Amino acid sequence: GAGVSQSPSNKVTEKGKDVELRCDPISGHTALYWYRQSLGQGLEFLIYFQGNSAPDKSGLPSDRFSAERTGGSVSTLTIQRTQQEDSAVYLCASSPQGYYGYTFGSGTRLTVV
Amino acid sequence: AQKITQTQPGMFVQEKEAVTLDCTYDTSDPSYGLFWYKQPSSGEMIFLIYQGSYDQQNATEGRYSLNFQKARKSANLVISASQLGDSAMYFCAMREGTGNQFYFGTGTSLTVIP
Repeated sequence: GAGVSQSPSNKVTEKGKDVELRCDPISGHTALYWYRQSLGQGLEFLIYFQGNSAPDKSGLPSDRFSAERTGGSVSTLTIQRTQQEDSAVYLCASSPQGYYGYTFGSGTRLTVV
Repeated sequence: AQKITQTQPGMFVQEKEAVTLDCTYDTSDPSYGLFWYKQPSSGEMIFLIYQGSYDQQNATEGRYSLNFQKARKSANLVISASQLGDSAMYFCAMREGTGNQFYFGTGTSLTVIP
């Protein structure tokens, strides 16, 4: 597609369940970010993938969070044993290597009840 | 210390007027990039403008310009001739030359009044 695609757009889950959030970056984009945006807040960095390099996981808030990127394209963010504080909008962004302007997806709104 | 500070939670501007959204940053890295993003109610983050720390001139993109004052560590966004479609949240962000992540401010909500 023309832009960064994220699915699902909305997810409601029960506390304690695992969830998977998907990001399809723009074809050919080697860099991919995951960010989290809580209500009324700025964006919180979670993880960064660049090509075949080891990902920068320094922003993941706990070991319940993990992410992978298969074949340098699609990325999945997994949250295990969800907690209410995990409720937020999860945004994915991608960019060609070396380009400074990242394209964001519309995000997945996660609600943990 | 906050890497990016946006001190205006909300701003109002009359249609067709210009508006300045404030942003200050904090870094000891001599190489960095400054960005502004627009987030309309749909939620998507839209890249507006970029300023590199070594750029000699202020960046401009159509109606958007970045007032870069390096000594003051400020990177204010100026929107000229405001339009109703400019109503949105605006985020200032920085990426340091030695790091991977973008640091975002808490945003400014801009409302354009007809």
